[in-house]
Amino acid sequence: EAQVTQNPRYLITVTGKKLTVTCSQNMNHEYMSWYRQDPGLGLRQIYYSMNVEVTDKGDVPEGYKVSRKEKRNFPLILESPSPNQTSLYFCASSFPDRGNEQFFGPGTRLTVL
Amino acid sequence: SQQGEEDPQALSIQEGENATMNCSYKTSINNLQWYRQNSGRGLVHLILIRSNEREKHSGRLRVTLDTSKKSSSLLITASRAADTASYFCATADQTGANNLFFGTGTRLTVIP
Repeated sequence: EAQVTQNPRYLITVTGKKLTVTCSQNMNHEYMSWYRQDPGLGLRQIYYSMNVEVTDKGDVPEGYKVSRKEKRNFPLILESPSPNQTSLYFCASSFPDRGNEQFFGPGTRLTVL
Repeated sequence: SQQGEEDPQALSIQEGENATMNCSYKTSINNLQWYRQNSGRGLVHLILIRSNEREKHSGRLRVTLDTSKKSSSLLITASRAADTASYFCATADQTGANNLFFGTGTRLTVIP
């Protein structure tokens, strides 16, 4: 089954404790992206990747890091989480050219205390 | 920011009625897509309309695009309770990457 998976689905952590949210896709997509979703603000892009070892900032990259060492994986790293990073996070993937449907993961609900 | 804006923010209708949601955006686009999100879950692609198209149909969905007004509408005909969800428009800009800019969504409730 074609899918994007994220782990963990739910996470409660404390300020400053490094964490990683994993994202994996099995559709051989070159393009992957991370979004955060907050009430009243819609989805905002954090980082995206056009292919292995190619990453770029989205609209709200501060406080986040990503890596793309393999085509299927695109982890999101919070080196020192803060309460304002409490949010619902989505990973998405697609073929790279504009106009392609993006496939979304199920989401990771993160709470930073 | 290129983020779009949906209108209304929330819509409540009876099953069988039609639902219309509107989207406005700010810059020139290559295409516009509509996505659906069931509560707290991942978004699912519904339909894409390119900048040189004015109307597109898919099942009970009808999308229009007016690039002169920088607006689009999504019509769901003969709504069902299972259509209850949030609906987002997303625009792709003129760059080569498949970056999408999402609106804030319309929350649709279909009452059985």
